Amino acid sequence: QKEVEQDPGPLSVPEGAIVSLNCTYSNSAFQYFMWYRQYSRKGPELLMYTYSSGNKEDGRFTAQVDKSSKYISLFIRDSQPSDSATYLCAMSQGGSEKLVFGKGTKLTVNP
Amino acid sequence: SQTIHQWPATLVQPVGSPLSLECTVEGTSNPNLYWYRQAAGRGLQLLFYSVGIGQISSEVPQNLSASRPQDRQFILSSKKLLLSDSGFYLCAWTRSYEQYFGPGTRLTVT
Repeated sequence: QKEVEQDPGPLSVPEGAIVSLNCTYSNSAFQYFMWYRQYSRKGPELLMYTYSSGNKEDGRFTAQVDKSSKYISLFIRDSQPSDSATYLCAMSQGGSEKLVFGKGTKLTVNP
Repeated sequence: SQTIHQWPATLVQPVGSPLSLECTVEGTSNPNLYWYRQAAGRGLQLLFYSVGIGQISSEVPQNLSASRPQDRQFILSSKKLLLSDSGFYLCAWTRSYEQYFGPGTRLTVT
């Protein structure tokens, strides 16, 4: 079983849709959870950062962490064509800054 | 504010040639630095990380090596490139568990 599983998609939605992106993980020691957005041929950009369980909201983006289910989600409300990118989840254990990444989900938002 | 630079942006090299990729960070001191490779369909693979000058940890046996000659400089090298070294190379630094990436170098080995 891989440490972090992420559905690669591709995921295609119409503009204005609510998008749900998810990752599951197997290591219960993970405490720090991140979502990155990566445009084609660019470096990943940190979108959301969450410590332990709970929700965090930033504009149209909401990150959720359910440690009991080992499941994290990123929701994008009112999706825009500019949200078209690959989204990577990442996580790390307490005491370590080394991240374990999912393989990414490619999202296309159609105008 | 902090900025991370990588160069070159794009590189095409023949098999067997040497490699040197450079990463520098501005606006912070004593950062933890990382080199990743991103190959199509394989996600981000951590290659090396460094917690200080001259301190390098290798995550995966590779045809590659890394050095950190200065606090904010991280270099990825190879003496002889293989076809399998092709990919998108990313440098990153961390601040309190938040990791920030540079723009990347796209390497094609022919």
